[in-house]
Amino acid sequence: GEDVEQSLFLSVREGDSSVINCTYTDSSSTYLYWYKQEPGAGLQLLTYIFSNMDMKQDQRLTVLLNKKDKHLSLRIADTQTGDSAIYFCAESMGNYGQNFVFGPGTRLSVLP
Amino acid sequence: DVKVTQSSRYLVKRTGEKVFLECVQDMDHENMFWYRQDPGLGLRLIYFSYDVKMKEKGDIPEGYSVSREKKERFSLILESASTNQTSMYLCASSLDRIAGQPQHFGDGTRLSIL
Repeated sequence: GEDVEQSLFLSVREGDSSVINCTYTDSSSTYLYWYKQEPGAGLQLLTYIFSNMDMKQDQRLTVLLNKKDKHLSLRIADTQTGDSAIYFCAESMGNYGQNFVFGPGTRLSVLP
Repeated sequence: DVKVTQSSRYLVKRTGEKVFLECVQDMDHENMFWYRQDPGLGLRLIYFSYDVKMKEKGDIPEGYSVSREKKERFSLILESASTNQTSMYLCASSLDRIAGQPQHFGDGTRLSIL
C-alpha cells in the first residue's frame, strides 16, 4: 500500500539550515508536496514539485527530489523561530492525482 | 488566495448527538475533502467529493456521512457521535481532477465528544 515516512522530530539552532526528509512508495506519483502546520491551525501549502524535476528553490526553501530512491527533502535556510511547526510531506495518488497521502509530519523546533 | 472556511474552530458535543461540521470554499473548486488528524496517526481521509452530489469513501468512513448539495459547501455528518470521534477535523479543496492541483486547507475544527 501507499506509505509516506518522515522522522518525527528535528531540532536546529536559529540561523542554521534545517533539512526535513521524506520517503514515499508510489513511483507513479506525479507531484510531491510540502505543507506547514502551526499550532492550532490548518495545513499551509509551502511548495510542490513535479516528479520530472530534481530541484526547486523558492526563497529560503529548497526541495530536492531523488526519484530513484523515492526520497524528498525540504531545506530551510537561515531557520527562524517562526519556522517552528510541523511539516508534512504528501504525494498525489488516484486516477487523477487528486487524492493525497500524507506523512506523519516532522515537528521542527528552532532553538534560540 | 484560496479561502477555505470551517464553521467552528472548537465544538463540544455529547455522545449520541448528530453533529454537523460545515466547510465552504470560495474559489469554485471541484474537489473537496474531509480529514481527521490524531496524534501519531497523521491525517486520514474520511470522505471526498469531486462534484456536486458526488461522494467517495476515504480510508475511514465508518460513523460518518457527507453532503455536497452546492459546489462551494461540503458538510461532514457524525450520525451518532462517539467519544472515539474526538479529533481535529480538517477540510480541504482543490481545483479539479487534473493531476498536481494542490489541496488548500481550512483552519480545522477541534471536536470534543463527551
